[in-house]
Amino acid sequence: DTGVSQDPRHKITKRGQNVTFRCDPISEHNRLYWYRQTLGQGPEFLTYFQNEAQLEKSRLLSDRFSAERPKGSFSTLEIQRTEQGDSAMYLCALLQGDYNEQFFGPGTRLTVL
Amino acid sequence: QKEVEQDPGPLSVPEGAIVSLNCTYSNSAFQYFMWYRQYSRKGPELLMYTYSSGNKEDGRFTAQVDKSSKYISLFIRDSQPSDSATYLCAMLTGNQFYFGTGTSLTVIP
Repeated sequence: DTGVSQDPRHKITKRGQNVTFRCDPISEHNRLYWYRQTLGQGPEFLTYFQNEAQLEKSRLLSDRFSAERPKGSFSTLEIQRTEQGDSAMYLCALLQGDYNEQFFGPGTRLTVL
Repeated sequence: QKEVEQDPGPLSVPEGAIVSLNCTYSNSAFQYFMWYRQYSRKGPELLMYTYSSGNKEDGRFTAQVDKSSKYISLFIRDSQPSDSATYLCAMLTGNQFYFGTGTSLTVIP
């Protein structure tokens, strides 16, 4: 158990629909990351929160993507007007304590038809 | 050129073999180096974490970092079928982590 849950685990949607994913840390972690991973690739950085502040965003994060962490605990990632190229595993990760040890959730697998 | 280069394999070894997995990088600013194991359809699991050149050992796993050559390795001794997974190297500079593409390993009983 990494202390991170993600919901849903799998989402199938039609192109053009909006989807929202949620990441829930079990305990308090001030640093939270979102990544996207496609088949045969490593995770690609999307965005990073320190508490509720979104401090960095990748160029991969087009204006169709938005992420929030309203109270510095759980986080949501929304994709508007989904495209087939958005099909991927979306991973949430937390940093443990004072160290840069990053722990991942199980991921949400998105399939856009 | 990618920030982190990793041979995707696949790598297939007999049970009990020593496995060597490697990554190279180009950014001298990388300060922290990690290895993750990822089973199919699961999130990556942190295996090893180090921030200095040299070796770090944890059970059957040894992580090696050579900053002068910009090269990191993970050695797995006495490999087991349960080690069959994809192994990802990762590096950190500032607040951003950079991952290799992963090496797929199969340990044959």
